[in-house]
Amino acid sequence: QSALTQPASVSGSPGQSITISCTGTSSDVGSYNLVSWYQQHPGKAPKLMIYEVSKRPSGVSNRFSGSKSGNTASLTISGLQAEDEADYHCCSYGGSSTFPNWVFGGGTKLTV
Amino acid sequence: QVQLQEAGPGLVKPSETLSLTCAVSGYSISSGYYWGWIRQPPGKGLEWIGSIYHSGSTYYNPSLKSRVTISVDTSKNQFSLKLSSVTAADTAVYYCARQEYGDSDHFDYWGQGTLVTVSS
Repeated sequence: QSALTQPASVSGSPGQSITISCTGTSSDVGSYNLVSWYQQHPGKAPKLMIYEVSKRPSGVSNRFSGSKSGNTASLTISGLQAEDEADYHCCSYGGSSTFPNWVFGGGTKLTV
Repeated sequence: QVQLQEAGPGLVKPSETLSLTCAVSGYSISSGYYWGWIRQPPGKGLEWIGSIYHSGSTYYNPSLKSRVTISVDTSKNQFSLKLSSVTAADTAVYYCARQEYGDSDHFDYWGQGTLVTVSS
């Protein structure tokens, strides 16, 4: 199963909003509402920001939101702050109940 | 607070077997959840390697399945990764993580990661 497709980089100014896309196929993103997003600062472990397409874990700012249309999921960050500068990775469940599989995107570097 | 910590050699020779252990604290593996391994080659994206349930049930990335073995030791509250016949392409930071699977699906707690370099 191929990796999900993300833009290599996006940028925005403080206070602005940006959206990062994550394109998969009808076998993963398009078939399941099981897309998650992770924030990764340099040299650090990934941190869960969004799960099940649009749910936020406790403690994650409501400036982060997720959505999905067809085979493409999106992460939107509103009111950009300097600390949002990081890499963002999407992940989707794929496969079947017998042979489950998880596929990640190539990551997107956000510059604020 | 759930914490995970990877441990293992930072340098492995080509054709040999990479072995890593993930020690879990703050949560008993026997209580549930899946436990997964994810890697990240330098400057690249994340790749799921495989996952294990406390019962020993495993799922592997099809592209790595022939070389991967994941096991669990509930008495030590840890799980392990073995990747055989490694090449330079297996050089990466290896992360272990707790995985929600079933009712939901995501990796919610991650270890800090450990860099494994494959080189002679």
